[in-house]
Amino acid sequence: AQSVTQLDSHVSVSEGTPVLLRCNYSSSYSPSLFWYVQHPNKGLQLLLKYTSAATLVKGINGFEAEFKKSETSFHLTKPSAHMSDAAEYFCVVSDQIAGFQKLVFGTGTRLLVSP
Amino acid sequence: EAQVTQNPRYLITVTGKKLTVTCSQNMNHEYMSWYRQDPGLGLRQIYYSMNVEVTDKGDVPEGYKVSRKEKRNFPLILESPSPNQTSLYFCASSQTPGQGVSYEQYFGPGTRLTVT
Repeated sequence: AQSVTQLDSHVSVSEGTPVLLRCNYSSSYSPSLFWYVQHPNKGLQLLLKYTSAATLVKGINGFEAEFKKSETSFHLTKPSAHMSDAAEYFCVVSDQIAGFQKLVFGTGTRLLVSP
Repeated sequence: EAQVTQNPRYLITVTGKKLTVTCSQNMNHEYMSWYRQDPGLGLRQIYYSMNVEVTDKGDVPEGYKVSRKEKRNFPLILESPSPNQTSLYFCASSQTPGQGVSYEQYFGPGTRLTVT
């Protein structure tokens, strides 16, 4: 079975500074990986996804993530944080069970952005 | 607009009183799923459905039922709610996943349920 570990439950940054949210996964296959964002009182929105086409994946709102197979990591980054980035972020690995997709969620990282 | 809708958004109920949370999607997706979100645990899958009349248990199915009589609707039923089912619930839908192919899931806005 696949699993995903988000290494930080909370990350605090100042507006304008870089963001790094860390994610490690375990997988027996070539995984599909996603990052979702959840703003307060909202549903989850897809930021970006990796499906083996390119190791550096660009998403919405200036976020990107790099798939590193040797490190089993899929860290999310953004060069310059904005106040509107404050939210909870989930790293997700897609598990294939008998040909069906099952999403395995990390426990989330809450990003706090201060002025 | 492509969307997943859930109703109600907020619900406070008492132990043992049956309730249904509705979920509907307008994207003609075959795959639908229910999750619960609890602090520190991320999202855990309750049930999923690959197509009409095809449902299966996820990781935490105890105390829940689902039905899939139409492609667009996937209601979640709590026959006898208990306080440990107090949680935030999300419905999601996607194109049919297949071997080696994963698709984005579209999430509803969530239903916050409190059982006293």
